[in-house]
Amino acid sequence: KNEVEQSPQNLTAQEGEFITINCSYSVGISALHWLQQHPGGGIVSLFMLSSGKKKHGRLIATINIQEKHSSLHITASHPRDSAVYICAVKIGGGADGLTFGKGTHLIIQP
Amino acid sequence: DAGITQSPRHKVTETGTPVTLRCHQTENHRYMYWYRQDPGHGLRLIHYSYGVKDTDKGEVSDGYSVSRSKTEDFLLTLESATSSQTSVYFCAISERGDYNNEQFFGPGTRLTVL
Repeated sequence: KNEVEQSPQNLTAQEGEFITINCSYSVGISALHWLQQHPGGGIVSLFMLSSGKKKHGRLIATINIQEKHSSLHITASHPRDSAVYICAVKIGGGADGLTFGKGTHLIIQP
Repeated sequence: DAGITQSPRHKVTETGTPVTLRCHQTENHRYMYWYRQDPGHGLRLIHYSYGVKDTDKGEVSDGYSVSRSKTEDFLLTLESATSSQTSVYFCAISERGDYNNEQFFGPGTRLTVL
């Protein structure tokens, strides 16, 4: 059974700080997803990646397949980045959904 | 935003009563999923569908059944609700079911079983 571990579980930082959230998984995967869950509960897909690095605005996601590890970085953090960030992995090519980490609760203070 | 709605958004019910949650999409995506989210757990897959009338079980399917009679609707039924099924339920859709399956989530349904 694949386990998806995220660290830290909770993170409080000051506005402007560089943020890193880590995700490790235990078996081979075909893709890794980063999701954002807003305080109101809605879940939004941020990135889907299977190798290398992707960037969107102030968000950067990297993955190291050999080390079974991914990181999500936020540059110049802002209070509106406060949310739960969720890592999820896709195992194999079947249609059976994703396996999720428990999430990292990020609070950015002004 | 992907066109996904869930109904009801909130429901309080009593132990032993049947409950049906509806997920409706306007994207014509083939794959649909039901997840539950509980404190201390990540989202967990209950059931999924890979086409009309084609469904399969996920990690936590006991006590739940699903039906998909048309592309746009995926129903989750709790035949006899229990307090352990108090949770937030999310529906998701995906155009593809393979490795390239970016998923889009509905707004969630908060279910309380008393």
